[in-house]
Amino acid sequence: DAGITQSPRYKITETGRQVTLMCHQTWSHSYMFWYRQDLGHGLRLIYYSAAADITDKGEVPDGYVVSRSKTENFPLTLESATRSQTSVYFCASSESEGSQHFGDGTRLSIL
Amino acid sequence: EDQVTQSPEALRLQEGESSSLNCSYTVSGLRGLFWYRQDPGKGPEFLFTLYSAGEEKEKERLKATLTKKESFLHITAPKPEDSATYLCAVRHQGAQKLVFGQGTRLTINP
Repeated sequence: DAGITQSPRYKITETGRQVTLMCHQTWSHSYMFWYRQDLGHGLRLIYYSAAADITDKGEVPDGYVVSRSKTENFPLTLESATRSQTSVYFCASSESEGSQHFGDGTRLSIL
Repeated sequence: EDQVTQSPEALRLQEGESSSLNCSYTVSGLRGLFWYRQDPGKGPEFLFTLYSAGEEKEKERLKATLTKKESFLHITAPKPEDSATYLCAVRHQGAQKLVFGQGTRLTINP
């Protein structure tokens, strides 16, 4: 089915561990985005990508790493997870002048 | 710096009771104001894009309007299935990023 899928949907890990959240879209959209959503802060942009091998920081990039070797995939890695990174993470994609379309999120808990 | 403020934070209505949600924004060169609906446990779902003051868009019981400083999401004769969090976001000229407000949590009681 066409769309944007995130995996896993739920993840529990420990502080200091590395964890990677996956995002895959089937629309061949140029742009992809990673947001985190927290109570009191709304949706905040972590990183985004305009095309394969082109990425840029958003509002809250510290502690996160992204890559985009293929247009359809945009993984987000927490290199050494901290409790403050407990959140719900959303991936989105869009064409250059279009609206962003979101996945259903990954709920990440860091103990 | 782009800013988006939504009000109220939460709104509870009876079924059939019409109302409006507000989105005030500050942006340098608006290149789109976006409305999304978000259900619990789901990602935001796109509703509307507005580009210029005076523009209006409608979908079922929802109508979005835009002025130079704010947007309204009017909901007419709402039903319980309209219960959700409604998010507003802006994009400024030359950027692809969206800046989101914190949302309005709407509850429609039967």
